[in-house]
Amino acid sequence: DTEVTQTPKHLVMGMTNKKSLKCEQHMGHRAMYWYKQKAKKPPELMFVYSYEKLSINESVPSRFSPECPNSSLLNLHLHALQPEDSALYLCASSLAGQGLRDEQFFGPGTRLTVL
Amino acid sequence: RKEVEQDPGPFNVPEGATVAFNCTYSNSASQSFFWYRQDCRKEPKLLMSVYSSGNEDGRFTAQLNRASQYISLLIRDSKLSDSATYLCVVTAGSSNTGKLIFGQGTTLQVKP
Repeated sequence: DTEVTQTPKHLVMGMTNKKSLKCEQHMGHRAMYWYKQKAKKPPELMFVYSYEKLSINESVPSRFSPECPNSSLLNLHLHALQPEDSALYLCASSLAGQGLRDEQFFGPGTRLTVL
Repeated sequence: RKEVEQDPGPFNVPEGATVAFNCTYSNSASQSFFWYRQDCRKEPKLLMSVYSSGNEDGRFTAQLNRASQYISLLIRDSKLSDSATYLCVVTAGSSNTGKLIFGQGTTLQVKP
């Protein structure tokens, strides 16, 4: 089962709100990723967790805070976002984040609108 | 120069046509290569990994030329359902970080 699930599907929040995005996979993958995708652009990597440890932070503003409670779950905590943060947020997972042909599988995404 | 370059298209082709997409990458240390397809307002889905010897999956054939740092995808007998954006994706150099570099995508529109 190559499925990554994400909740919620859609989220509208104000600039002062705090919200969280959730991602789950049960494929036994040990690497999980957050991407941000704006319209008509490719996904941009935000964070990588490998074996539940943060291994890459692509200089993401601190208003985005990732968390990996266990090997199946990945959260993205949002606080004090700006309207330009409105985008599709994609979660992905892969077997181990290393080695040749480590294919990443994406969840359906959370479409975020910041008012 | 972009790390992964693709012709954005759009490619407008009739059903049944054969269409080829090309992609070049700048980092000679990249080790893994993929084609993803993305439908409008959906997530990217892995279409196929690209192997040095070339590989085929039904109507889709991928080729890799490491010397020229060039990847291609050939779609034969195009179907309406092939209409999507095709993303060329490579790993970021030789380090095993899991970091992927995406091309801007090539849009394919298959018409009846």
